[in-house]
Amino acid sequence: QKEVEQNSGPLSVPEGAIASLNCTYSDRGSQSFFWYRQYSGKSPELIMFIYSNGDKEDGRFTAQLNKASQYVSLLIRDSQPSDSATYLCAVEGRTYKYIFGTGTRLKVLA
Amino acid sequence: DAMVIQNPRYQVTQFGKPVTLSCSQTLNHNVMYWYQQKSSQAPKLLFHYYDKDFNNEADTPDNFQSRRPNTSFCFLDIRSPGLGDAAMYLCATSTRWATGGGNQPQHFGDGTRLSIL
Repeated sequence: QKEVEQNSGPLSVPEGAIASLNCTYSDRGSQSFFWYRQYSGKSPELIMFIYSNGDKEDGRFTAQLNKASQYVSLLIRDSQPSDSATYLCAVEGRTYKYIFGTGTRLKVLA
Repeated sequence: DAMVIQNPRYQVTQFGKPVTLSCSQTLNHNVMYWYQQKSSQAPKLLFHYYDKDFNNEADTPDNFQSRRPNTSFCFLDIRSPGLGDAAMYLCATSTRWATGGGNQPQHFGDGTRLSIL
């Protein structure tokens, strides 16, 4: 079993819709969870981070964490074509390491 | 603005010719990381430093070395680059929250795109 799993996509949503991206992780001891956006040929850019169960909202983005079920999700409201990118889920591992998923490619259709 | 700076942005080298990539940070973070990322893949951790303590991943080839002469700078040396080493190399920094409870988010540089001729 991979440590951090994401559906590779592509996930296609129409402009203005809600995009829902999911991530599951295997280490129950993980405390910190991160979502990065990565445009083709660019470096990852932090979108959200979450540490506690529940929802955390920042503008059009909401991160949701459920430690009992070991999943973390990212909702993007009012999706825009500029949101088209690969979204990487990262989970804090042991000894300062971060475990990345392979990313979900999102396509927002104008 | 505090940031992570990688140089150069693009590096072209010949097969087998040593190359050095550099990373500097103004965040004063105690942990620095080097990742290799190939197209459509997750970033792959090569090594990380906690202060001056070097931590190598078990599957990082011996061809890859790193140096951290001080808190601000970190270098990635590829001694004999092969065609399979063509990739984006990402430097990142991090630290723990002062109040405990895990790692702060990583801050990434813009990356160095390495091409091998």
